Order: sequence, then C-alpha cells, then structure tokens
Amino acid sequence: DTAVSQTPKYLVTQMGNDKSIKCEQNLGHDTMYWYKQDSKKFLKIMFSYNNKELIINETVPNRFSPKSPDKAHLNLHINSLELGDSAVYFCASSQRLAGGELFFGEGSRLTVL
Amino acid sequence: QKEVEQDPGPLSVPEGAIVSLNCTYSNSAFQYFMWYRQYSRKGPELLMYTYSSGNKEDGRFTAQVDKSSKYISLFIRDSQPSDSATYLCAMSPIQGAQKLVFGQGTRLTINP
Repeated sequence: DTAVSQTPKYLVTQMGNDKSIKCEQNLGHDTMYWYKQDSKKFLKIMFSYNNKELIINETVPNRFSPKSPDKAHLNLHINSLELGDSAVYFCASSQRLAGGELFFGEGSRLTVL
Repeated sequence: QKEVEQDPGPLSVPEGAIVSLNCTYSNSAFQYFMWYRQYSRKGPELLMYTYSSGNKEDGRFTAQVDKSSKYISLFIRDSQPSDSATYLCAMSPIQGAQKLVFGQGTRLTINP
C-alpha cells in the first residue's frame, strides 16, 4: 500500500488553464507538504500544513492555492498556468511539524505548453 | 551564492568502486544534515541523517559532517548498479522540514 500517493502522475496542459493535483497519505502523519522540483533538480518547499492548518507559505505566486480537507489529504490547485510552472510537484508528509522523516510521493510531472 | 552547493555531476563509476559525494554550505546555523536518494521518476527517500559534526555509518554508506569546513560527504563502499540514482544533500538549522534546504543533487551511475 502506497504511503504517500499523488494524482495525476503526468499532466500536460495549455498555458492559461487551471489544474489540480491531489495527495493522500495513509501514514497517520500530522504534517504534509508540497515541494517543487525544477528541471535542474532543485527541490524547494512551497507549502506546509499541520493538522489542516497552513504553516509555511513560501514565496509562491497566489495562483497556487493549497487545500487540506483533512490531515490525510493535501491538494494543490494552480490557476492560469504559465510556462514556468512546468516542473515535478512532490507531496510529502512527516509525523509531526518539528521532526520526523519526510516521506515523498512519486511526484506529479506538470508540462505547460 | 546558494546556501547549499552540490556538484550535479553526472558521476559514472564502475561497480565495486568507492563513491564520494559532497556538499558545501554557507549557513553556519545548519545543525541537521541528511542525504536523500532519488531514483528516476520517483520521490526522494531518506538515506542518512546526522546531527551536528561527526560520522555515521549504515551498511555500505557513511555520512560525514565537518561543520568547521561547512562540508558534508556521503561515501558508498562496494558500489552496486542498484545505487544508481540522484543523491541530494539536505540540511536545516532546526528539526523538521520547515527550514530544510536541499542541494541540487548529484546524478550517479554505477556501471556493471
């Protein structure tokens, strides 16, 4: 059973469209994250939620809106997609905010044409 | 200057070789140091975790931290083709992921 699962794995879309990526973890963790990995493999945190509450909101355009309906789910909605949004988006979770190993999903590869 | 510098490679070595992967950093507040392994088309997975300076060994893997030089290393002994992956260093001044900074990752290939 996959610990952190995200869908879709691949997403190809046109500039200006709106898309969503969903993430679920079955580890019972309190904290979930969205990371962006660009073409040069730099992995940067975008958002962090702890028990459904937004904790970290790095400098990310407000076209990106995370939503956590419960502590096992964290979704990412992106409005008005731009070419520069093309990247792999990783969902991750950890047992608690102040520690615990990060468990990553397999990533959602977004290509904006 | 980036907070964490890591040579992206690629690095290609024959099976059985000893591999040395390195990162340098500029933030002297970093206390927690990690190495993640990322297979192609997969998410990163934690390989080694070290607090402060010193060495840590786990099987064929050894992590070293030299805080005085702001330099961390990962050594892989008796490298195997299954070790072929991208290795990312990561570090933080505090426990947890809120201030975790990743290196660019080094792509490693072990040739049979």
